[in-house]
Amino acid sequence: QKEVEQDPGPLSVPEGAIVSLNCTYSNSAFQYFMWYRQYSRKGPELLMYTYSSGNKEDGRFTAQVDKSSKYISLFIRDSQPSDSATYLCAMSAGGFQKLVFGTGTRLLVSP
Amino acid sequence: DADVTQTPRNRITKTGKRIMLECSQTKGHDRMYWYRQDPGLGLRLIYYSFDVKDINKGEISDGYSVSRQAQAKFSLSLESAIPNQTALYFCATSVGADRYTDTQYFGPGTRLTVL
Repeated sequence: QKEVEQDPGPLSVPEGAIVSLNCTYSNSAFQYFMWYRQYSRKGPELLMYTYSSGNKEDGRFTAQVDKSSKYISLFIRDSQPSDSATYLCAMSAGGFQKLVFGTGTRLLVSP
Repeated sequence: DADVTQTPRNRITKTGKRIMLECSQTKGHDRMYWYRQDPGLGLRLIYYSFDVKDINKGEISDGYSVSRQAQAKFSLSLESAIPNQTALYFCATSVGADRYTDTQYFGPGTRLTVL
């Protein structure tokens, strides 16, 4: 079983929809949770970072962590075609920067 | 101009050949990393370096070696390439000042095909 599980998609939605992207994990030591966005033929770029449980909002993006369920989510409101990309979750127990990545979910937002 | 550059961007080679992938950064970061990305497996850490004299193996270092020539340069070598090393390779850097919020910045990647 992988430490981090993520549905590969693709997830297809119409423009303006609310998107929910999710990851589950098995390592209860994880405390730092990140979401990266990766456009085709590009490297991943950090979107959101959260520590421990709770929510964090940044514009149209909201990251949510539920440590009791070992489940994290990224919500995108008013999705745009430019949001079409692969979204990778990543997490770390801290200490030093060894990140464990999910496999990524491919999102397609159609106009 | 890109802060993290990788050369070459694409490479096709044959089994048994030695190949080097290069990474340069202008961000002034101390920490550098090499990952590979495979469909269905995600990003996996090959090697990482916290400074010029500190190099560490990651999750999947077998078959790879690295060299940190300077703070800004980190090279990945495949001594004798094999087909299952066909993948997308990423270099990343981080500032290292705050271990808990140490954002990693990725290069554009090198697509390597081993025939």
